[in-house]
Amino acid sequence: SQQGEEDPQALSIQEGENATMNCSYKTSINNLQWYRQNSGRGLVHLILIRSNEREKHSGRLRVTLDTSKKSSSLLITASRAADTASYFCATDLSGGSNYKLTFGKGTLLTVNP
Amino acid sequence: GAGVSQSPSNKVTEKGKDVELRCDPISGHTALYWYRQSLGQGLEFLIYFQGNSAPDKSGLPSDRFSAERTGGSVSTLTIQRTQQEDSAVYLCASSFQSAGWAEAFFGQGTRLTVV
Repeated sequence: SQQGEEDPQALSIQEGENATMNCSYKTSINNLQWYRQNSGRGLVHLILIRSNEREKHSGRLRVTLDTSKKSSSLLITASRAADTASYFCATDLSGGSNYKLTFGKGTLLTVNP
Repeated sequence: GAGVSQSPSNKVTEKGKDVELRCDPISGHTALYWYRQSLGQGLEFLIYFQGNSAPDKSGLPSDRFSAERTGGSVSTLTIQRTQQEDSAVYLCASSFQSAGWAEAFFGQGTRLTVV
């Protein structure tokens, strides 16, 4: 079963614009992570935010987490054509014995030059 | 090694044959995951190894799928009697902490095509 769901499924913007992607999840989490995937191969970790954090920055990336709404957002500022990729959120399942990292279906971001 | 290594990078097999996919995680990483990704889809969790604990096999789609991790390091995913619906990219990832507490490092995947 998948824990996170990204929204929108696809996003197309112009270079220089900001891109916002959202992730909703179903059960309590310890942490939420965002990953990027180019060309359907290996994923690259972008940022990890813990359940007691509300906002985190890394370069042009800004991640927010709202545990009351079970949602997170990833903002990419001043987008570049090289940011074109699929973006996934990943969550663990807190509580119980079955901890595993589960991914949503992703948002395909296209940044047009 | 410097990163997670998967082999082969591409595999074409005939329906009904068995295949073995290999994953070499980053040295010292205790957690190892296998995922499957069909074209344009998200990552489907298959199996998770954490240290010496019993693996979480809850994502394996059928009893044709099995995986092992020898010596807490290299892992092999075996698919028996392959079917066309098994065609996908199989991704392996490792992490130095248990699920979710640290970033996972991914290999480049094995693209499996069953003809």
